Amino acid sequence: DTGVSQDPRHKITKRGQNVTFRCDPISEHNRLYWYRQTLGQGPEFLTYFQNEAQLEKSRLLSNRFSAERPKGSFSTLEIQRTEQGDSAMYLCASSWTSFAGYTFGSGTRLTVV
Amino acid sequence: AQKVTQAQTEISVVEKEDVTLDCVYETRDTTYYLFWYKQPPSGELVFLIRRNSFDEQNEISGRYSWNFQKSTSSFNFTITASQVVDSAVYFCALSEAEETSGSRLTFGEGTQLTVNP
Repeated sequence: DTGVSQDPRHKITKRGQNVTFRCDPISEHNRLYWYRQTLGQGPEFLTYFQNEAQLEKSRLLSNRFSAERPKGSFSTLEIQRTEQGDSAMYLCASSWTSFAGYTFGSGTRLTVV
Repeated sequence: AQKVTQAQTEISVVEKEDVTLDCVYETRDTTYYLFWYKQPPSGELVFLIRRNSFDEQNEISGRYSWNFQKSTSSFNFTITASQVVDSAVYFCALSEAEETSGSRLTFGEGTQLTVNP
């Protein structure tokens, strides 16, 4: 068990480009979450999967954002037509049950220039 | 709606001092969980503690202790004899019942703790 892995660790992209991030949760965890953290703020919930089903999406997740978890294992978060306001740390977390302690990955830091 | 408030944006102490980080929460649920996470400069959120709403017993783990008081909706975190390695941002978080909020975590804005040698 190597914890929650996120790739890449850092991404710099030009405004208008599409980016995709990957998250590999702890293997026995069926729940997977995406959060976004901007500088000086706490993480904000984006979306949540139980197995391959996306059960909840935050209003923060505009139509430029899409997340998938095709086989109930790894997940991808795609941002289309990136904007400077998308610059943030994108954190992935996984858990076994709804009230278990979540394990977070190290995050992907996105910078849109 | 659930809300977590960490009124202390930054705290600076000298090594070996005790320090308390405040957390106040709002929720309409009777069943909920409270968490504390540590975020060192490397960025990864490190789980410290989880407490359910039915267990108001205080907890101690080494130099760390937590005081949960439902009457004041507070879940404060104390570090005794602080060390330089304790320097980090600390987040308090709340999770309501799954049918209310899908077990999402609502975080406070964090408290930056700096422990000076």
